[in-house]
Amino acid sequence: EIVLTQSPGTLSLSPGERATLSCRASQSVSSYLAWYQQKPGQAPRLLIYGASSRATGIPDRFSGSGSGTDFTLTISRLEPEDFAVYYCQQYGSSPRTFGQGTKVEIK
Amino acid sequence: QVQLVQSGAEVKKPGASVRVSCEASGYSFSGYYVHWVRQAPGQGPEWMGWINPDRGGTNYAQKFQGRVTMTRDPSISTAYMELARLRSDDTAVYYCVRESRTWALDYWGQGTLVTVSS
Repeated sequence: EIVLTQSPGTLSLSPGERATLSCRASQSVSSYLAWYQQKPGQAPRLLIYGASSRATGIPDRFSGSGSGTDFTLTISRLEPEDFAVYYCQQYGSSPRTFGQGTKVEIK
Repeated sequence: QVQLVQSGAEVKKPGASVRVSCEASGYSFSGYYVHWVRQAPGQGPEWMGWINPDRGGTNYAQKFQGRVTMTRDPSISTAYMELARLRSDDTAVYYCVRESRTWALDYWGQGTLVTVSS
């Protein structure tokens, strides 16, 4: 089973700042990696697939990069609605696994 | 628009079984795999498996093998997930999710809270 390790666990930033989230895989997943955003009481929402492609309707302040074992989600300028928990997920092999999440909170 | 609407919250006793339904609309149900993902309180999501609504083939996470059964009824565009021999640590929100053409999980149901308690 591929283990995804996200860092940091919590990111404390102010609106307008840049957020950089990391996801590291225990073995290569090629580019089969997605990022999801989850707000309290809601289902996760797909942001990025294929490591770097934005899902439909996702603002261009969200970008993804990386391949193999190291991936990054960048939010260029945090908006108030971006404060949430972010999860990475690999779908390169079964079982499909999720990271433990990074919480982006208001500083 | 694509929608996945799940059945309501359940409270079960340890050892019982639960079945959650997921009705799809707004797209061709048989054309997209349906996954089930659960999330325990305060935890990250956990993938349980998928079903191919067209032919009914399934792939379960090893952790749930022998306890989970995923089925579907294409005539009513509905997928089902049944989990047997429930334990207290099965308490979670269970989501059905559509797999996109690029294999990521693009549309999520609203979630069904299953509480296991004596």
